Amino acid sequence: AQSVAQPEDQVNVAEGNPLTVKCTYSVSGNPYLFWYVQYPNRGLQFLLKYITGDNLVKGSYGFEAEFNKSQTSFHLKKPSALVSDSALYFCAAGGSSNTGKLIFGQGTTLQVKP
Amino acid sequence: DAGVTQSPTHLIKTRGQQVTLRCSPISGHKSVSWYQQVLGQGPQFIFQYYEKEERGRGNFPDRFSARQFPNYSSELNVNALLLGDSALYLCASSAPGQGLYGYTFGSGTRLTVV
Repeated sequence: AQSVAQPEDQVNVAEGNPLTVKCTYSVSGNPYLFWYVQYPNRGLQFLLKYITGDNLVKGSYGFEAEFNKSQTSFHLKKPSALVSDSALYFCAAGGSSNTGKLIFGQGTTLQVKP
Repeated sequence: DAGVTQSPTHLIKTRGQQVTLRCSPISGHKSVSWYQQVLGQGPQFIFQYYEKEERGRGNFPDRFSARQFPNYSSELNVNALLLGDSALYLCASSAPGQGLYGYTFGSGTRLTVV
């Protein structure tokens, strides 16, 4: 069965420090990987995606993610966290067929403290 | 350009009732997908429609149905509502040829079943 796991329910970091939100996946074939952010009572906002190519993907708001095929991971990173980055983050994976189906992790709440 | 619009934003229904949720995709987008996000969990895929045909279905009971209209808008119907159907229902659209790459999510409809 295909799945996406986010092992941490919550990540706490101090403003200005680097942050990492972890994600591992189990998807058949070449995975399409995504990170979305959700603010309270809002939909999902796209941050970045990995389809193919460089393992380091740069996205919106200074976020980046590193694709590691051997570890089946796609961790989200940012060199310097902002208080405004506090939100719920979802990792998602899609298979190679275009059925429109994304498999989401359970989400990680990022709390950035001043 | 308007984003993906969903209506209503909130609604409250009684167990056993039926509900219809609506989604208008971004202009030019022909694919619409529906997701259910229960509180504390990641979104779960319900349906995908492309050019008015169902292209994918998630693991949801037959009480859930959907359709897509000639203008590419979509409706999600849920019959015989259960308390467990309480969730945020998200719609996403993408342009032809983009599939998962080009997903844009709406802000969702918050359904509460009492």
